[in-house]
Amino acid sequence: QLQLQESGPGLVKPSETLSLTCTVSGGSISSSSYYWGWIRQPPGKGLEWIGSIYYSGSTYYNPSLKSRVTISVDTSKNQFSLKLSSVTAADTAVYYCARQGVAGLFGAFDIWGQGTMVTVSS
Amino acid sequence: QSVLTQPPSASGTPGQRVTISCSGSSSNIGSNYVYWYQQLPGTAPKLLIYRNNQRPSGVPDRFSGSKSGTSASLAISGLRSEDEADYYCAAWDDSLSGGVFGGGTKLTVL
Repeated sequence: QLQLQESGPGLVKPSETLSLTCTVSGGSISSSSYYWGWIRQPPGKGLEWIGSIYYSGSTYYNPSLKSRVTISVDTSKNQFSLKLSSVTAADTAVYYCARQGVAGLFGAFDIWGQGTMVTVSS
Repeated sequence: QSVLTQPPSASGTPGQRVTISCSGSSSNIGSNYVYWYQQLPGTAPKLLIYRNNQRPSGVPDRFSGSKSGTSASLAISGLRSEDEADYYCAAWDDSLSGGVFGGGTKLTVL
């Protein structure tokens, strides 16, 4: 069965770039039926969609984060990645990767990774 | 403050039926699909409802979704203790050109 696993540093300094990778196992990231997304959740708060990518490299981002976000895909490794630049303490959150259906403008996130906590602190 | 408004909390007793509302506007719920997610404590969210009222396989039929105009609702019937969780609605917002989540509703089973 398909599984997603986030990986990357758990601590990032202010003003630096947060980098995370999501590894997809048990299935191909090159499926035409899905996007692959990043969602985050600050401690004690709600969910925030960051952005999504198609296996072809087509992306769409949350407008509020767009200037700082880059999502890329590596189909040879069955991975997709998130880079968030110029981080501040407000970017401290659990970061989830998830598979997203292509139906509609914002498909369902039907399979999620377990999440990884990233703290922004000097 | 999200453009999708949910009550911060809801509660019910075992066996009861509870509903959680998600209020939006013509640019989000009024013109796009609504999704519902359940997040048990300390775990990743789980998809409960997609395309307004569809249940993924494995989700009990105790969970149902509906949409009317610019509002959506999640209903849980036959409430169980294991339903105690945070629930989030989500939709695309045409004005923002982005996906949005509601602020979440914490459901307590008394």
